[in-house]
Amino acid sequence: GAVVSQHPSRVICKSGTSVKIECRSLDFQATTMFWYRQFPKQSLMLMATSNEGSKATYEQGVEKDKFLINHASLTLSTLTVTSAHPEDSSFYICSASPGGLRGSGGYTFGSGTRLTVV
Amino acid sequence: LAKTTQPISMDSYEGQEVNITCSHNNIATNDYITWYQQFPSQGPRFIIQGYKTKVTNEVASLFIPADRKSSTLSLPRVSLSDTAVYYCLVGGTGTASKLTFGTGTRLQVTL
Repeated sequence: GAVVSQHPSRVICKSGTSVKIECRSLDFQATTMFWYRQFPKQSLMLMATSNEGSKATYEQGVEKDKFLINHASLTLSTLTVTSAHPEDSSFYICSASPGGLRGSGGYTFGSGTRLTVV
Repeated sequence: LAKTTQPISMDSYEGQEVNITCSHNNIATNDYITWYQQFPSQGPRFIIQGYKTKVTNEVASLFIPADRKSSTLSLPRVSLSDTAVYYCLVGGTGTASKLTFGTGTRLQVTL
C-alpha cells in the first residue's frame, strides 16, 4: 500500500533554533501533502496544505513565517519550525493520498515527529 | 467541511463487539465517510471508508443509513491491541481534499 515516511521521529532542540521535518511519499507522487499538529490528549489540527511547486496554504492562526513549508518535488515536503520555543513542542504529522484507485482508501499518514523544545 | 460528533470515550471487554457511532448531519452529496485509528505517538491509520449502506473489510464493518447523517464503525471481537483513538471523518476523496479531525473516540479494551 501507499507509504508516507516521516523523519525524524523524535527531535529535541534548544529554544531559538530551527528544526526541519521531512515527509516523503515512498511509492507514489503527491502534489498535495498536509501537515498536522497534535498536542497531548487532543485531536489532530490541520496546520497547512503543502502544494508541489507553489506556496503552501496555511490554516487560520498558523504563522507562515514560523512554520516554513517547502514542497519542492512530487515526493517530498518539508516543514521547518523556525526559532522554536517550548510552546511549539508537539507531535507533527504529515499525510498524503496517492489518488485514483489507490486513493480510495483515504489518506496515508506519516509516523509523526515528536518535537521537544527545551 | 461537515462536522462530526462522536462519543469521547468507550470501554469494552476483550472479545466483545464494539460499535462507535458518528453523527455528521451536514454531510454533502460528494462526501465519503472514513474512519481512522490512532495509537499513541503514531500517525492515524486508515480503517475503512464508505459512501452508503454497508462496507466490510478484514478488520471492521461500516454501517451507513440511507440519510447518511450518521455512520457506525463496528469492530468485531476486540482485543487489547484495539485500544486506541478512533476518528470519523467526512469529506471528498480527492488528493487535495482537506481532512478535519473531530475529537475522536478513545476506546479502552480490558480483560
